[in-house]
Amino acid sequence: AQKITQTQPGMFVQEKEAVTLDCTYDTSDPSYGLFWYKQPSSGEMIFLIYQGSYDQQNATEGRYSLNFQKARKSANLVISASQLGDSAMYFCAMREGRYSSASKIIFGSGTRLSIRP
Amino acid sequence: DSGVTQTPKHLITATGQRVTLRCSPRSGDLSVYWYQQSLDQGLQFLIQYYNGEERAKGNILERFSAQQFPDLHSELNLSSLELGDSALYFCASRGDRGEAFFGQGTRLTVV
Repeated sequence: AQKITQTQPGMFVQEKEAVTLDCTYDTSDPSYGLFWYKQPSSGEMIFLIYQGSYDQQNATEGRYSLNFQKARKSANLVISASQLGDSAMYFCAMREGRYSSASKIIFGSGTRLSIRP
Repeated sequence: DSGVTQTPKHLITATGQRVTLRCSPRSGDLSVYWYQQSLDQGLQFLIQYYNGEERAKGNILERFSAQQFPDLHSELNLSSLELGDSALYFCASRGDRGEAFFGQGTRLTVV
């Protein structure tokens, strides 16, 4: 069965520092997709970044990058130059299997990131 | 704005009651997911519909049911509500890479 693990319940980081949020996953399917979402205190879920299992390069979106280590089954989110507005809950998620009409997405338990001024 | 619309935003109801949550996916998206997020918890997958048909099922209680209509909007019905059903309920539609685009959520409080 597919599984997503986020081992850091909470993190405190100084403003302008880089931060890495850990995510490991487990799946037996060679085709899958990995995602990161941000949930601020207002509650909405914001899609940040995507990495496909066959992608050769690590995904990047602005200040977000995904450190994809396939052999270790890890997909860590790196936020460069953190800002106060980055304080939020962050969720790692996975779509197992090839993109199809029946692929569901499961989420990890989340990491609460707090940025100190 | 994700393009996914959920109504209502807030709902307060008593135990034993039944409520209906509504979701309209992004224009052109055929797939709808429903998730439950209890206080300070992760997102639990409930059910997925694709073009009107149920395609995947998670840990959805028998008291809960959902459907997707021909115009692709979806409804999640929660009945015989209990205090523990209080949660944020999200609907999402699916992008080109399988990512989920979420609505604003419906915050359900059962008293």
